[in-house]
Amino acid sequence: DQQVKQNSPSLSVQEGRISILNCDYTNSMFDYFLWYKKYPAEGPTFLISISSIKDKNEDGRFTVFLNKSAKHLSLHIVPSQPGDSAVYFCAASADTNAGKSTFGDGTTLTVKP
Amino acid sequence: GAGVSQSPSNKVTEKGKDVELRCDPISGHTALYWYRQSLGQGLEFLIYFQGNSAPDKSGLPSDRFSAERTGGSVSTLTIQRTQQEDSAVYLCASSPYITSGGYTFGSGTRLTVV
Repeated sequence: DQQVKQNSPSLSVQEGRISILNCDYTNSMFDYFLWYKKYPAEGPTFLISISSIKDKNEDGRFTVFLNKSAKHLSLHIVPSQPGDSAVYFCAASADTNAGKSTFGDGTTLTVKP
Repeated sequence: GAGVSQSPSNKVTEKGKDVELRCDPISGHTALYWYRQSLGQGLEFLIYFQGNSAPDKSGLPSDRFSAERTGGSVSTLTIQRTQQEDSAVYLCASSPYITSGGYTFGSGTRLTVV
């Protein structure tokens, strides 16, 4: 049973518009959530995180929203840029060690100029 | 070095052979993680080292997998008697301490078992 799901394998948006990447989880013990970005042939890069005590965390163009009752989180990128084109992974942790997170399968974002 | 270095970048091996994958973390980083990413899937945690403490092996999929970290720096992931399902990208990450996400990943080793 997959505990972290990213149901959209791909997403395509126009430059300047909003990108919304979604993630659902099933384990109610998860209390810390992270988003990573990965370019081909490179390792993932940490983007932004959120603790379960919050429902929103913002860092520049990136905002993560958490809906605990729905066990859903989303990453918003505004405005989207062509350089944002990458695979985005959602991860969740029930451990104080966020490095032991459970990852989703990723969503490939393509931002068209 | 400036980043996390992994070698080799690509490895093709025959089924049943043993392989060793190397990770050279950022100097001074006490925490080191190994992950596996199978095709089209997310990262799967394998093992975690923190300083001189006993490693957390809770993610290792079978006893064919083992890892060492010598002198708190370089780590080697060993897969014995490789199987085709071991084919994946193996990623290493390090951080200065247990942190809330600021891990630095290497570029990974793509292992293909034929």
